[in-house]
Amino acid sequence: EAGVAQSPRYKIIEKRQSVAFWCNPISGHATLYWYQQILGQGPKLLIQFQNNGVVDDSQLPKDRFSAERLKGVDSTLKIQPAKLEDSAVYLCASSSQGTSYEQYFGPGTRLTVT
Amino acid sequence: DQQVKQNSPSLSVQEGRISILNCDYTNSMFDYFLWYKKYPAEGPTFLISISSIKDKNEDGRFTVFLNKSAKHLSLHIVPSQPGDSAVYFCAASEYYGQNFVFGPGTRLSVLP
Repeated sequence: EAGVAQSPRYKIIEKRQSVAFWCNPISGHATLYWYQQILGQGPKLLIQFQNNGVVDDSQLPKDRFSAERLKGVDSTLKIQPAKLEDSAVYLCASSSQGTSYEQYFGPGTRLTVT
Repeated sequence: DQQVKQNSPSLSVQEGRISILNCDYTNSMFDYFLWYKKYPAEGPTFLISISSIKDKNEDGRFTVFLNKSAKHLSLHIVPSQPGDSAVYFCAASEYYGQNFVFGPGTRLSVLP
């Protein structure tokens, strides 16, 4: 079974530029999560999708961040415009919501905003 | 306001001994808890979970204990192996499968 795929793995941009991250979850997983992990901290949930609907986006800075999950499979997370404090690893995870709720994480995208 | 705390940033243990990683939480509504392990440049990997109706869950070398009255859980690794060296995150959910809150992590080093 293929794992969660994310691209790109690394991205360096200047502040005020825009950036987009892509995630392909494990096949058949209905739930998809985007997390932001700042150095030295635990992952912070940004948005959670159930199929192509949003379950929770209470911690998503909606003035600059947006996310979509078309057709309930792949997802993209966009930042526009980026700020210095957006430098972090962006993790995508998926879960099947079968008998347990463990999430399977992708390798993450390391974003550096200069 | 940190709802999930891991007060030990790091822990060193000799190979073969027990590793005990601790996690405290403040939200009494949390009812589902997970532990993840993370190696550098990789995403976190699920280890073990426990729901609030249990006080212990065991999977091979890994055991998680939950003390709801103290709002405390711990992960025991016995025996510890050098491959267990990683950052361990505790996570909690108020709604089964939703709104996961992660702690800041504890870096475990298992010395040969």
